[in-house]
Amino acid sequence: SQKIEQNSEALNIQEGKTATLTCNYTNYSPAYLQWYRQDPGRGPVFLLLIRENEKEKRKERLKVTFDTTLKQSLFHITASQPADSATYLCALDGGTGGFKTIFGAGTRLFVKA
Amino acid sequence: SQTIHQWPATLVQPVGSPLSLECTVEGTSNPNLYWYRQAAGRGLQLLFYSVGIGQISSEVPQNLSASRPQDRQFILSSKKLLLSDSGFYLCAWAQRDTGELFFGEGSRLTVL
Repeated sequence: SQKIEQNSEALNIQEGKTATLTCNYTNYSPAYLQWYRQDPGRGPVFLLLIRENEKEKRKERLKVTFDTTLKQSLFHITASQPADSATYLCALDGGTGGFKTIFGAGTRLFVKA
Repeated sequence: SQTIHQWPATLVQPVGSPLSLECTVEGTSNPNLYWYRQAAGRGLQLLFYSVGIGQISSEVPQNLSASRPQDRQFILSSKKLLLSDSGFYLCAWAQRDTGELFFGEGSRLTVL
């Protein structure tokens, strides 16, 4: 069955540094991959989508890469700020033409001032 | 603009009691609708999705059910709650062309 793996350990970095989060998947080839941010007690908020034919996408301080050979996506936050502290979720299409989206467990990011 | 609202925000229910969570979407037509559940410290588990009125797909065998009586209304129900039903329930709708999900505020259910 489809499996999405994100580092379960929290990532602690210093303000101003680049945070890099990893998402690995197995057992299928998604048409797209998404990243979401979730704050405690809130629903996830969409950040970026990258399609299978795209290698990289950027949005302000965010950058996402998608390597379909390695079955991996990297999510980078440059010049990180304490306000970036949150849980970041990787999500993939469930292989039904976009009708459903499957989420990883997320990685907690702490940015220290 | 589109909005999504779900309620109640918080509820505490005894084991064996019924459940009804409601979700409504405004500002969009014929959206794909979803119910997810998030256990404490865990990721989102897809429970149900719907591509139209009366069309429900179930992802996980369980004692929960979903219904879509109107285009922009999605309801999650149970006849008898279990302790394992406790969690944070999230309703969402999706942009059909991008698959981007927009989530509601969430409903935190505690079954005692």
